Amino acid sequence: EAGVAQSPRYKIIEKRQSVAFWCNPISGHATLYWYQQILGQGPKLLIQFQNNGVVDDSQLPKDRFSAERLKGVDSTLKIQPAKLEDSAVYLCASRAQGTYEQYFGPGTRLTVT
Amino acid sequence: AQRVTQPEKLLSVFKGAPVELKCNYSYSGSPELFWYVQYSRQRLQLLLRHISRESIKGFTADLNKGETSFHLKKPFAQEEDSAMYYCALSPYNQGGKLIFGQGTELSVKP
Repeated sequence: EAGVAQSPRYKIIEKRQSVAFWCNPISGHATLYWYQQILGQGPKLLIQFQNNGVVDDSQLPKDRFSAERLKGVDSTLKIQPAKLEDSAVYLCASRAQGTYEQYFGPGTRLTVT
Repeated sequence: AQRVTQPEKLLSVFKGAPVELKCNYSYSGSPELFWYVQYSRQRLQLLLRHISRESIKGFTADLNKGETSFHLKKPFAQEEDSAMYYCALSPYNQGGKLIFGQGTELSVKP
């Protein structure tokens, strides 16, 4: 079984630029999560999708962050404009309906200079 | 407030010594608790879940509701246990989202 795929793996941008991350969950997994992990901290949920609908985006900074999962499969997370404090690893995870285990991708390491 | 606290950023032990990674939580209800692990250059992955009450790779964790703790234990540490360990809480009926602690880096020395 292929795991959760994410790209790019690394990205360096200047502040005020925009960036987009892509995630392809495990086939058949209805629930998709985006987490932000700042250095030295645990992952923090940004947004959660159930199929193509948003379940929880309470911690997503909506003035600069956006995410979509249009066909209920892969997802993109965008930051525009980026700030220095957005430097972090962005993790995507997916979970099958009726199960509890989340499967994580390798993450995208973003550095904002 | 829903919160998970791991008081130790780094725990260093010698091979064969017992290990206890501490986790305390704050949640008004019956939580679902997990330990996730990230080995060097690998993805974050589930280690164990409190409901299953299993022993995985020799690790066990007991939920103590009175002390609101979910400490991870192993009687004899191995070098391959060296990794980052995250305690996580899943609030009831919130789509399975996870609230993570800050993580504890376990270093097992030969």
